[in-house]
Amino acid sequence: DIQMTQSPSSLSVSVGDRVTITCRTSQNIGSYLNWYQQKPGEAPKVLIYAASTLHSGVPSRFSGSGSGTDFTLTISSLQLEDFATYYCQQSSSTPYSFGQGTKLQI
Amino acid sequence: EVHLVESGGGLVQPGRSLRLSCVASGFIFDDYAMHWVRQPPGKGLEWVSGISWNSGNLDYADSVKGRFTVSRDNAKNSLFLQMNNLRSEDTAFYFCAKPLFLERGVFDVWGQGTMVTVSS
Repeated sequence: DIQMTQSPSSLSVSVGDRVTITCRTSQNIGSYLNWYQQKPGEAPKVLIYAASTLHSGVPSRFSGSGSGTDFTLTISSLQLEDFATYYCQQSSSTPYSFGQGTKLQI
Repeated sequence: EVHLVESGGGLVQPGRSLRLSCVASGFIFDDYAMHWVRQPPGKGLEWVSGISWNSGNLDYADSVKGRFTVSRDNAKNSLFLQMNNLRSEDTAFYFCAKPLFLERGVFDVWGQGTMVTVSS
C-alpha cells in the first residue's frame, strides 16, 4: 500500500498569505496525486487532480505541482473562504490513500 | 444537477450489521465506478471500497475486507455497502463518491454522508 505524508498538519495564516502544503508518497505515483478541500460539516471538494490540473470552477489562486513522490499545493493569496482542511490523495492504485490533512487557521 | 444521497446510518452494537445505500441522480450511473469513503468524527479520510460499473471488480481497504461488501443496482441508480461484524473503529461518516470521467480515483461528486456509530 502507498503511504502518504502530508505537512504541516496545521498552519496559522492570514488573508493574503501565500500558502504551501506538501505531500510525499512512499512510492513513485507519477502524477496520480489529487488535492481536496473540506470545510466543517461538508463533504470534501476536489481542487486539483493529476498533480496540476485545476478542477472546473476552482479559483486560479490554487495550483499544484510535483511528480513521482513529492507534491505541493499552493494558494497564491489566501482568501477568507479558503480557511479549511486540505487533503492530498493518491489515485495510482487501490487502496486510494489520503494524507492526514492540513488545517488552515487564522 | 449531479447528486448523491446516502442513507442507512445509525447507532449499532458491536458485532451487528448495517446496510448503507446511496442513490445517484443527474448522471449516467452505469458509466461510472463508484466508491465509499469514510471519516471518523474530527479525523481524516479513508477510502473504504470501490465497485466497477458492471460489478465485475470489487475492491476493499484491508481494514474492512471480509466484513464489508459493496454492491450496486444500475437499474435503480443505487450503490450499497453491507457492513457486518461492526467494530467501534468503524464509527464514521460514510460518503459515497463518484469519480471524474476517465480519471479513476478522483472523486468529483460526494454525497452529504451518513453517520454510523458502533457502540454498546
